[in-house]
Amino acid sequence: AQSVTQLDSHVSVSEGTPVLLRCNYSSSYSPSLFWYVQHPNKGLQLLLKYTSAATLVKGINGFEAEFKKSETSFHLTKPSAHMSDAAEYFCVVRVTGFQKLVFGTGTRLLVSP
Amino acid sequence: GAVVSQHPSWVICKSGTSVKIECRSLDFQATTMFWYRQFPKQSLMLMATSNEGSKATYEQGVEKDKFLINHASLTLSTLTVTSAHPEDSSFYICSSQTATGYGYTFGSGTRLTVV
Repeated sequence: AQSVTQLDSHVSVSEGTPVLLRCNYSSSYSPSLFWYVQHPNKGLQLLLKYTSAATLVKGINGFEAEFKKSETSFHLTKPSAHMSDAAEYFCVVRVTGFQKLVFGTGTRLLVSP
Repeated sequence: GAVVSQHPSWVICKSGTSVKIECRSLDFQATTMFWYRQFPKQSLMLMATSNEGSKATYEQGVEKDKFLINHASLTLSTLTVTSAHPEDSSFYICSSQTATGYGYTFGSGTRLTVV
């Protein structure tokens, strides 16, 4: 069964410094992977998705993620954090052959001035 | 882009009453709608999958008689929490896959508080 593990429950960075949110996946097949962001009491917004095309995926708001099959990872990065990036981030895998998604436990990103 | 409108955004109800949450796809046909619940500071847990014109498929451990899902049209799906209790207080979110595939659009969520 597919699953994702987000390695950090909280990540704290200073504004202007790089962001790294880690995600490892488990899948017997080539997975479809997503990163979503959720601001407090809001729905989820898609940052980017990997669907077996280019391994380096560029998303919105300067985020990108690299699919590394050898490491079963799909880490999310951003070169320079903004205060507005403070939110909860979810790594998500689509169950092969089905439409439903499986969510990681989330990483809360804190950005300090 | 594809938009799912979810209402209400928050609701407070008395224990024992029922609450209906609506999700409408505004500019696409949502043949499948997913319903999630999210407890504070936790991840989203899939409750059920509804397909237009057929019965919903519930995840293990979710009471289908308590969480009634109706998907009568391609643009509207509803979740009714029946005989709500304080432990049902949670954040409920709907989601649909867009016609382009692989893309999922989420509603803005409903904060349910049962007192």
